[in-house]
Amino acid sequence: DQQVKQNSPSLSVQEGRISILNCDYTNSMFDYFLWYKKYPAEGPTFLISISSIKDKNEDGRFTVFLNKSAKHLSLHIVPSQPGDSAVYFCAASGTYKYIFGTGTRLKVLA
Amino acid sequence: GAVVSQHPSRVICKSGTSVKIECRSLDFQATTMFWYRQFPKQSLMLMATSNEGSKATYEQGVEKDKFLINHASLTLSTLTVTSAHPEDSSFYICSALDPAHYEQYFGPGTRLTVT
Repeated sequence: DQQVKQNSPSLSVQEGRISILNCDYTNSMFDYFLWYKKYPAEGPTFLISISSIKDKNEDGRFTVFLNKSAKHLSLHIVPSQPGDSAVYFCAASGTYKYIFGTGTRLKVLA
Repeated sequence: GAVVSQHPSRVICKSGTSVKIECRSLDFQATTMFWYRQFPKQSLMLMATSNEGSKATYEQGVEKDKFLINHASLTLSTLTVTSAHPEDSSFYICSALDPAHYEQYFGPGTRLTVT
């Protein structure tokens, strides 16, 4: 039973445009959400997080939106850069344990 | 951000042997560490929660006798894959929970190949 889902396994975006990565969850007890970026053969790198008391958090080019009623969060990257090409995982937490989604491979085309 | 190291970064071993992977938190004391594994093109799956000074808590479906976890100090947790088989080949990643900020910091991962 996949509690955190990323339904798009891959996404291609032109450099300079917006990348939107989506994530859905099923457990209403999750109250903290994170996005990680991962390169092959490396550990995930933290990007941005959001608490369930907020609906938006922004950090530079990265913005995370949370829609609690829809149990949906998204990561916006704007403008997208070729260096953003990687696999992006969303994660949800209700305690200190993180449950990860299946990942979306983003490719930013120059 | 905080640094978590893993050693080795890559290991190849023969079927039937045991392999130990170390996870260290370098600039904070971590009473709790986590072990994940990732198969190709799949998500990071939590295997177990490692608690300093006590037994690890394993996720459903993870064999505790096969994946031995020891968290003997506040900066070191080890995962030993016992009697490894080719299906144990995977990417193993640890994370350490920083109690001051309640954030998990991930190690760089260890690629295990069992031949």
